[in-house]
Amino acid sequence: GQQLNQSPQSMFIQEGEDVSMNCTSSSIFNTWLWYKQDPGEGPVLLIALYKAGELTSNGRLTAQFGITRKDSFLNISASIPSDVGIYFCAGHNTGNQFYFGTGTSLTVIP
Amino acid sequence: NAGVTQTPKFQVLKTGQSMTLQCAQDMNHNSMYWYRQDPGMGLRLIYYSASEGTTDKGEVPNGYNVSRLNKREFSLRLESAAPSQTSVYFCASTNLAGVLGELFFGEGSRLTVL
Repeated sequence: GQQLNQSPQSMFIQEGEDVSMNCTSSSIFNTWLWYKQDPGEGPVLLIALYKAGELTSNGRLTAQFGITRKDSFLNISASIPSDVGIYFCAGHNTGNQFYFGTGTSLTVIP
Repeated sequence: NAGVTQTPKFQVLKTGQSMTLQCAQDMNHNSMYWYRQDPGMGLRLIYYSASEGTTDKGEVPNGYNVSRLNKREFSLRLESAAPSQTSVYFCASTNLAGVLGELFFGEGSRLTVL
């Protein structure tokens, strides 16, 4: 199945720094979703985007739906230790299937 | 507010044994999914059910069967477990309503096949 290209694959940052990651696809999507997965847990939905160009925030998290509808970006401002985890994107067009990114592993150094 | 509930959370099987993973959602969603997550492989779709009474194969259906028992429940069965089925299994649900959809996941079922 189609996997979305997500970068970077991993990040090691100092507490307080900002984080940026992105997801690209060869296909157009109508919906972009961003998840966080903690070790041993299920993915938790952070932000949902439904419109090209849309910018949506959830606390310190901000995500954007790319104008081309083939990419999306997630930013985390002023990172804290509990931001540690794996972040991944998902895209959906019409039909029943969702497509997932390969994940970005985030480590925050206190 | 339970969301998507999976049982069991952990299971160890011997090769050839059978078992069923249970999933229930309380969000009145139409569509339900079973994924497996393996290191370096990401989430791969095993089976999905677009609505009550329908099921369809995903990317990796071999060795699995599913049942959409009712709108709330979607079970995944391993008839004869193999070591290659050692994985973390996630159930998910959504209300696609034609276009828009947010996909919600359960906490996962960690299966080891010896």
